[in-house]
Amino acid sequence: ETGVTQTPRHLVMGMTNKKSLKCEQHLGHNAMYWYKQSAKKPLELMFVYNFKEQTENNSVPSRFSPECPNSSHLFLHLHTLQPEDSALYLCASSQGGTSTDTQYFGPGTRLTVL
Amino acid sequence: GNSVTQMEGPVTLSEEAFLTINCTYTATGYPSLFWYVQYPGEGLQLLLKATKADDKGSNKGFEATYRKETTSFHLEKGSVQVSDSAVYFCALSVIGSQGNLIFGKGTKLSVKP
Repeated sequence: ETGVTQTPRHLVMGMTNKKSLKCEQHLGHNAMYWYKQSAKKPLELMFVYNFKEQTENNSVPSRFSPECPNSSHLFLHLHTLQPEDSALYLCASSQGGTSTDTQYFGPGTRLTVL
Repeated sequence: GNSVTQMEGPVTLSEEAFLTINCTYTATGYPSLFWYVQYPGEGLQLLLKATKADDKGSNKGFEATYRKETTSFHLEKGSVQVSDSAVYFCALSVIGSQGNLIFGKGTKLSVKP
């Protein structure tokens, strides 16, 4: 498999559930990102990992918890979410974490919180 | 602060029409500029980019020129196809931002046969 993959593609969860989103990149990149895409709002960067170290947390609520065990895998752990957290969650990776690097995106996980 | 403003959609064109999607930016640093495209049900794909003033990015018949004097990066294509129907996002990233991409709201393009 090539590129950036995300699982699951669709997820429905209740507000009291705990779930995790998974992202895997097969590009040999060193930086990985989580974005949130909501209807009628610009894409919002949530977290950045560079060489497995978190370098950016864009004021994201603690009910979202990222984990990056190695340069190829990125997780987003979800707990006690709110209905307004329903969105498309996109993972991306890039060779480095610089401003000129191209980010490669996965297909996203469509999350619905009931 | 840093921000991107792109024209509101949706934009509907006939096949072979000329396309322009306007994008202007505000940046405190010296940005790199990007156009990404999102086809239905998919993630974003890089369409083209430019990393310094007067650079022209091009791909698949699309072009955009980095204009520092007008802080713009307008996307153009001379003859659109039905397969170009998608949402187009303008984005910037500034030096020292850890690769933080700042996106515009997106412009939905529909091309009719």
